[in-house]
Amino acid sequence: DAGITQSPRYKITETGRQVTLMCHQTWSHSYMFWYRQDLGHGLRLIYYSAAADITDKGEVPDGYVVSRSKTENFPLTLESATRSQTSVYFCASSAMTGSYNEQFFGPGTRLTVL
Amino acid sequence: QQQVKQSPQSLIVQKGGISIINCAYENTAFDYFPWYQQFPGKGPALLIAIRPDVSEKKEGRFTISFNKSAKQFSLHIMDSQPGDSATYFCAASTAGSARQLTFGSGTQLTVLP
Repeated sequence: DAGITQSPRYKITETGRQVTLMCHQTWSHSYMFWYRQDLGHGLRLIYYSAAADITDKGEVPDGYVVSRSKTENFPLTLESATRSQTSVYFCASSAMTGSYNEQFFGPGTRLTVL
Repeated sequence: QQQVKQSPQSLIVQKGGISIINCAYENTAFDYFPWYQQFPGKGPALLIAIRPDVSEKKEGRFTISFNKSAKQFSLHIMDSQPGDSATYFCAASTAGSARQLTFGSGTQLTVLP
């Protein structure tokens, strides 16, 4: 299916465990983004990537690691999950062409850290 | 530091009424102001966007009003419908790498039938 997908959609883990959230897009968009959504904070950028093997920190990168070996995939890893990382995580992508590119969001992953 | 402040946090409107959501920003380098709409269980989706060279943009029942001197912009939903019930986020970005979006905190809109 075309578009942007995230997996898993729901995840429950324990404090200290490593967890990886997957993001896959079929548009060959250059830019990909990870956000977390928390009540009262809107969406906050964790990391973004301008192309394969190019990543950069966003507003709230601490405790997260990203990689992008292929254009279509942008996994987000919590190396040692903490309760404060309980959130809904959204992946997004946008094309490189033009100056005002729409970001297309995936359906989100709801992560609970116990 | 919240660079885009959004209000109100929640809004209840009768069907057919006008819904108004306001945002204020601090960074004068922002030059692109989109609004995203999010339904429960879904990711946000672009609704309408404006650049600061115009003061208003209208798409159907949705209008963005932009006041550059006051550093404020707002979303007006005319003839609000129950299907408009969703969370609305304003956002802003600057020219540069990736056009990162800075989001407001969101407004949960409920349109009563």
